[in-house]
Amino acid sequence: KQEVTQIPAALSVPEGENLVLNCSFTDSAIYNLQWFRQDPGKGLTSLLLIQSSQREQTSGRLNASLDKSSGRSTLYIAASQPGDSATYLCAARNYGGSQGNLIFGKGTKLSVKP
Amino acid sequence: GAVVSQHPSRVICKSGTSVKIECRSLDFQATTMFWYRQFPKKSLMLMATSNEGSKATYEQGVEKDKFLINHASLTLSTLTVTSAHPEDSSFYICSAISGLTYEQYFGPGTRLTVT
Repeated sequence: KQEVTQIPAALSVPEGENLVLNCSFTDSAIYNLQWFRQDPGKGLTSLLLIQSSQREQTSGRLNASLDKSSGRSTLYIAASQPGDSATYLCAARNYGGSQGNLIFGKGTKLSVKP
Repeated sequence: GAVVSQHPSRVICKSGTSVKIECRSLDFQATTMFWYRQFPKKSLMLMATSNEGSKATYEQGVEKDKFLINHASLTLSTLTVTSAHPEDSSFYICSAISGLTYEQYFGPGTRLTVT
């Protein structure tokens, strides 16, 4: 059974710092892995999706990596800004099952201080 | 980009009553929609998969008679929480798969509080 863990649960950094959020998963037979952002009381915004055959994806100041063999993914945020403050969720999608069957971690709550 | 809306955004109901939450894909047709539930400080959990014109597929442990799902059209799915109890209080999020691009889009969520 796939389990997704995110460390740390919360992170506070000063503006301008580069930071890394960690995600680990127990079953390496994933179809893809996705990172989301969730603002308080809001839904999810997809940030990056990495297919199982890929090692990383980049979008602006965000870079996500995937190492299936070690069951890890990282989300790197460069030059953090107060507007980056949110909860970041990673989710693994296994082969088989419905497309919506994402296994989510509990998230890392990021606070970027001005 | 594609937009998924949910209505209402927040609802408070009394224990024993039923409440309906709507999920709409605003600018695309969604053959498949999903309903998730999120408890505070817990992971988002898939509740059910809703396919247009057919019965929903529920995940293990989700009571289909309590959480009624209707996907009556290609742009609308509804979740009805029947005989609500305080433990049903949660954040419910829907998502929809575009029939054209197969991308998954998430709604803004509905906060349900049962008193």
